[in-house]
Amino acid sequence: SQQGEEDPQALSIQEGENATMNCSYKTSINNLQWYRQNSGRGLVHLILIRSNEREKHSGRLRVTLDTSKKSSSLLITASRAADTASYFCATGTNSGYALNFGKGTSLLVTP
Amino acid sequence: GAGVSQSPSNKVTEKGKDVELRCDPISGHTALYWYRQSLGQGLEFLIYFQGNSAPDKSGLPSDRFSAERTGGSVSTLTIQRTQQEDSAVYLCASSLIPDEQFFGPGTRLTVL
Repeated sequence: SQQGEEDPQALSIQEGENATMNCSYKTSINNLQWYRQNSGRGLVHLILIRSNEREKHSGRLRVTLDTSKKSSSLLITASRAADTASYFCATGTNSGYALNFGKGTSLLVTP
Repeated sequence: GAGVSQSPSNKVTEKGKDVELRCDPISGHTALYWYRQSLGQGLEFLIYFQGNSAPDKSGLPSDRFSAERTGGSVSTLTIQRTQQEDSAVYLCASSLIPDEQFFGPGTRLTVL
């Protein structure tokens, strides 16, 4: 079953602007991950944040996690046209290896 | 191999036929996962293998779906008597540790 839910469903910005996507989930987690998907095919792992972490950076990506609110955000700074893709959050739990994915945010970055 | 590979990349079949989808994980990855993604949706977990055994089959939608893994490597997902609602992209992933899963390009299945 899908646990994560991304917001907004779609986001359109211009190159150079920042893009913020949010994810909410329902049950306790061990970690939360963000993936990118281009053209509806394979997913690329972007970043993982553990339940005892609050913020993590990787290049132009910044992820925050608030376990009390069961929410996470992904910030992409100085966006580029190549960032156009769908972004999914996925939660991992202690009870299994399967990831629970949300429905994703579709990001469009226009030149 | 360099990454997870899946075959075929596209499969069109008639309702009622059986299909086999193949996944070649990254060499040395002990865990393998199958997911399904319907149009415009997130990923739906189907099954997980650790080595050749499948401790979690909870996501298989019906008894028409089965999967096996041999030699701790290649996995095959079989769908019998396909239905139109089986149309989706089937994604395979592998991992060495649970945290980061590496995904293949997927198989797009269309059931007419």
